[in-house]
Parts: sequence; structure tokens; C-alpha cells
Amino acid sequence: ETGVTQTPRHLVMGMTNKKSLKCEQHLGHNAMYWYKQSAKKPLELMFVYNFKEQTENNSVPSRFSPECPNSSHLFLHLHTLQPEDSALYLCASNRVDTGELFFGEGSRLTVL
Amino acid sequence: QKEVEQDPGPLSVPEGAIVSLNCTYSNSAFQYFMWYRQYSRKGPELLMYTYSSGNKEDGRFTAQVDKSSKYISLFIRDSQPSDSATYLCAFSYGGATNKLIFGTGTLLAVQP
Repeated sequence: ETGVTQTPRHLVMGMTNKKSLKCEQHLGHNAMYWYKQSAKKPLELMFVYNFKEQTENNSVPSRFSPECPNSSHLFLHLHTLQPEDSALYLCASNRVDTGELFFGEGSRLTVL
Repeated sequence: QKEVEQDPGPLSVPEGAIVSLNCTYSNSAFQYFMWYRQYSRKGPELLMYTYSSGNKEDGRFTAQVDKSSKYISLFIRDSQPSDSATYLCAFSYGGATNKLIFGTGTLLAVQP
């Protein structure tokens, strides 16, 4: 069982819907990440939170809104998405001073 | 020039074969070199982690780093059907920067 849990695992939404992805880590880590994984493209870093503070926003469109209420929880709020936003969204965590990322199993998003 | 180049495959080999997976990179500031394995419908998991040129062995897996040529490899000996997965190379600047740069991943299929 992974130490990083993502829900929901699958999500289908229309372009006008509002939904949220949730991530929870049980590893005592202090950094959390959102990555986007699309077919035949490298993992794209979206957001980084260190000790609950956002330290990186990789030019992500404002229709994606992250929230990190504490070091164990991370959300990605979605609204007015486009079909090209359909992808696997991966949450990851680690200790700030180490390179090893621990990933969740991802949330497969389909935008109709 | 892309920061990381990785052949997406797919690569199909018979059981027992030696597999060689490779990535080239252009950024000489990378200090840490990693291989992640991603099974279908799962998140990536760390397989090998190294920070210096040379070889690192772990069971049937050997990671090789050549900093002078900006080239890393992963060798799998006596490949098994359970090795069938996507293999992603990843790079880190180290220090206080905890951002990872990923390759596109190589899809490997080991045929029984």
C-alpha cells in the first residue's frame, strides 16, 4: 500500500464543472507536488509546496488551483477545464532535502 | 535541444534477455540521477538513485552514469515478465532545490 493516497482514481468532467483532486501522505514528509502525465510526454511539474508554502508554480493556467492546508494534505481544484487537460495527475511527496519522490497512483482525469 | 532525451520505445525483449535503457541530458548542473519504474495504472516508484559517475548495482539492475558524456543507462539482467513497465529517467540539481526533471519514459515489454 502506497504512503501517498490520491482520490478519486478516475474523474470525468465537463468543461463547465468544478471538481477537486485530493492527495494525502502518511510518510511524515514536508514537501508535496502535483505532476501532470500525458501520453508520450515527460512528467510535467505543476506545483511544489514546501512546509505548506507554495514554492513553485510552473506557469500553470489559473483553471488549476492548488491548496495545501497542512504538510499531509494537498488539493488540486479544477474549474472550466479544456479537453487537452485530460491526463493522469500525480501527487508526490518527499523530505525537502532529499531527491527521492514518493508518488501516489494518480487521478485519471477526462474532460469532455 | 531538450534538457532530457529518452527513447519512448516500445521495447520488446524475450524473457532472460539483457535490457539496456538510456537517457541523455544537456544540463551539466544535474547532480543526482535516478530511474523510476511505473507499472500500468500505478504511480512511478524509485528503482535506482546515484549521485556520481560509475556503476551502481542492485540485484539484477545496474545504473550507469557517465557525466562527461551526459549519459545514463539502466541495465536489467535476466529480464522477467514482471519487469514489463515504463522506465523513467530523472535528474535533480540537488541541494535546496528539490525539483526533478523527467524523461518521457521507455515502455518495456518482456515476453515469456
